[in-house]
Amino acid sequence: RKEVEQDPGPFNVPEGATVAFNCTYSNSASQSFFWYRQDCRKEPKLLMSVYSSGNEDGRFTAQLNRASQYISLLIRDSKLSDSATYLCVVRTYGNKLVFGAGTILRVKS
Amino acid sequence: SQTIHQWPATLVQPVGSPLSLECTVEGTSNPNLYWYRQAAGRGLQLLFYSVGIGQISSEVPQNLSASRPQDRQFILSSKKLLLSDSGFYLCAWSPNGGGDTQYFGPGTRLTVL
Repeated sequence: RKEVEQDPGPFNVPEGATVAFNCTYSNSASQSFFWYRQDCRKEPKLLMSVYSSGNEDGRFTAQLNRASQYISLLIRDSKLSDSATYLCVVRTYGNKLVFGAGTILRVKS
Repeated sequence: SQTIHQWPATLVQPVGSPLSLECTVEGTSNPNLYWYRQAAGRGLQLLFYSVGIGQISSEVPQNLSASRPQDRQFILSSKKLLLSDSGFYLCAWSPNGGGDTQYFGPGTRLTVL
């Protein structure tokens, strides 16, 4: 079983739609959680950290469920510029991060 | 502000040739440094990480090696490249003892023919 699993997609949605991505992790001792965004042929960039109480940054909302070992990302009012691969990332021990393979989002006009 | 540089941006090398990729970080001291590889359509795989000069930890057995000759310089090397070494190589840094978010450089796209 992979340490971090994501639905690869692609998710094809129209502009203005709401879309949600899910991610599960296998190590119950995981300590920190993140969503990164990666554009085609570019480096990953931090989108947001995920906190136990859930957190929001503009149109983006992240949720963490430690009991189910589940992380989600909700994007409201999708823009064309949101098209990218979204990486679920978990820190299990030390400073090492484990990356999911990513979920592809395509926003269409 | 901190910036991270990698070069070259792209590289095409024959099988059996040597490799040297360089990463430098500006605007911070004593960072943690990381080398990742991303194969086509796959997730990032941690190859090496370093918490200080001369301190290298290897995550995956392979024909690659890493060195940290200076505080903000991290080098990835190979004596003889294999076809399977093709991929997108990313260097990242994080503050030492100051948080666990990692910040990535622009990457080197390596093709081994």
